[in-house]
Amino acid sequence: NAGVTQTPKFQVLKTGQSMTLQCAQDMNHNSMYWYRQDPGMGLRLIYYSASEGTTDKGEVPNGYNVSRLNKREFSLRLESAAPSQTSVYFCASSVLQGGQPQHFGDGTRLSIL
Amino acid sequence: KNEVEQSPQNLTAQEGEFITINCSYSVGISALHWLQQHPGGGIVSLFMLSSGKKKHGRLIATINIQEKHSSLHITASHPRDSAVYICAVRRFGNEKLTFGTGTRLTIIP
Repeated sequence: NAGVTQTPKFQVLKTGQSMTLQCAQDMNHNSMYWYRQDPGMGLRLIYYSASEGTTDKGEVPNGYNVSRLNKREFSLRLESAAPSQTSVYFCASSVLQGGQPQHFGDGTRLSIL
Repeated sequence: KNEVEQSPQNLTAQEGEFITINCSYSVGISALHWLQQHPGGGIVSLFMLSSGKKKHGRLIATINIQEKHSSLHITASHPRDSAVYICAVRRFGNEKLTFGTGTRLTIIP
C-alpha cells in the first residue's frame, strides 16, 4: 500500500541550485497537488493538476514549475533555489478535484542555504 | 484575518480526557475537512463534512453551516492521539482547499 510516494525525504541546497521533487501515486487518482508548509502558517497550494495533461497555479507559484508526467507522477522543480523556499513540501492526490479527501505523501524537508 | 481560524493553537490534556478542537471560517463553503498530522510529519485525512456530524471510532466531527463553525471531538483521549489537527475548507466555486494553521494536541499518560 504505497499510496503517495515523495522523493527525496530531505535535501539541502545552496542558493541558486536547481532540483526536482518527485511525487508518484498508485491509487489511479486524477488530481494531484503540491503544497508547502511553513511554521505558523497553514498548508499553501503551490500548483495543482486536475487531470493528466493539465496544471494550474495555486496560491504561491512563484519560483516553481511543475510537470504532470503521466497520471501517476507530478514533479515540482525549483529552477534557482532561494532561502525563502526553505520549507516542508507535501504532494497529495485525490480521486477528483474539489472536495474529495486528499491523500498525502510523507513530505520533503528542503533547506536552502 | 485568515479565512480559517482554529482554536486553541496548543492543547495539553491528561489521558482519558474529552478533547474539543474548534474551527471557524469566514466564507461560504461546500465542504470542510479535518486532517491529522503525525509527529513524524505524515498527514492523514480524518473527515470530510458538508453538514451534521460524522463519527469514526473515538473521533467525532460536527459542523454548523449557519454559524460557520466545526468541532473535532476526541473521547477517551490516548497519548497516541498526540498530533497536529488541521481544519481545511473548500469554498463554493473554488476547487482548492484553504487550510487552518492547526492545533497541536499533546496527551500526557
